Amino acid sequence: NAGVTQTPKFRVLKTGQSMTLLCAQDMNHEYMYWYRQDPGMGLRLIHYSVGEGTTAKGEVPDGYNVSRLKKQNFLLGLESAAPSQTSVYFCASTSPVNSYNSPLHFGNGTRLTVT
Amino acid sequence: GQQLNQSPQSMFIQEGEDVSMNCTSSSIFNTWLWYKQDPGEGPVLLIALYKAGELTSNGRLTAQFGITRKDSFLNISASIPSDVGIYFCAGLHGSSNTGKLIFGQGTTLQVKP
Repeated sequence: NAGVTQTPKFRVLKTGQSMTLLCAQDMNHEYMYWYRQDPGMGLRLIHYSVGEGTTAKGEVPDGYNVSRLKKQNFLLGLESAAPSQTSVYFCASTSPVNSYNSPLHFGNGTRLTVT
Repeated sequence: GQQLNQSPQSMFIQEGEDVSMNCTSSSIFNTWLWYKQDPGEGPVLLIALYKAGELTSNGRLTAQFGITRKDSFLNISASIPSDVGIYFCAGLHGSSNTGKLIFGQGTTLQVKP
């Protein structure tokens, strides 16, 4: 059982380049999230989705777009990367039925460097 | 955006010592969670708390949900080298129907053998 899988694990971009981070979960979870982790700032929510075809902004959405075309996948896009987007990105998922009893399951992260 | 205030920011202790860290918030949470992150991996749930005043243990870990519902603490007894990592508190509002968690800034724990 893979859980939450993120690809790629590492990526280096030049300013202005675009890329898409992929998150896939095999737990049939309805809810999916993208967080970024920066030193001393914990995890901050970028965007989230409560179901296929729906997305919503989190705390720090600027510069990112997301899509949830399939229930098991949640894509995070950077249209024009900036050095401020250098971070470690985590995807997470959970089930609304158990949102209180089955907290977020996290992937292992994507380390992105923008030069 | 709203944040949880987690302290201390970092700790460097001797193996065998006890550890205590806490989180406070200006608003009420209905659920408090404690996660641990090992280097190069995603956070993993340690303990979940669902009721004010609740005290829950998981092996050498003990966490409590504050009576005011605005704070929580995590204790680790008799620390060992594999306790090294970043510990995060997280809160969930009762009114939330989206499962969105708010995270503290993290406590980095280092254990000297």
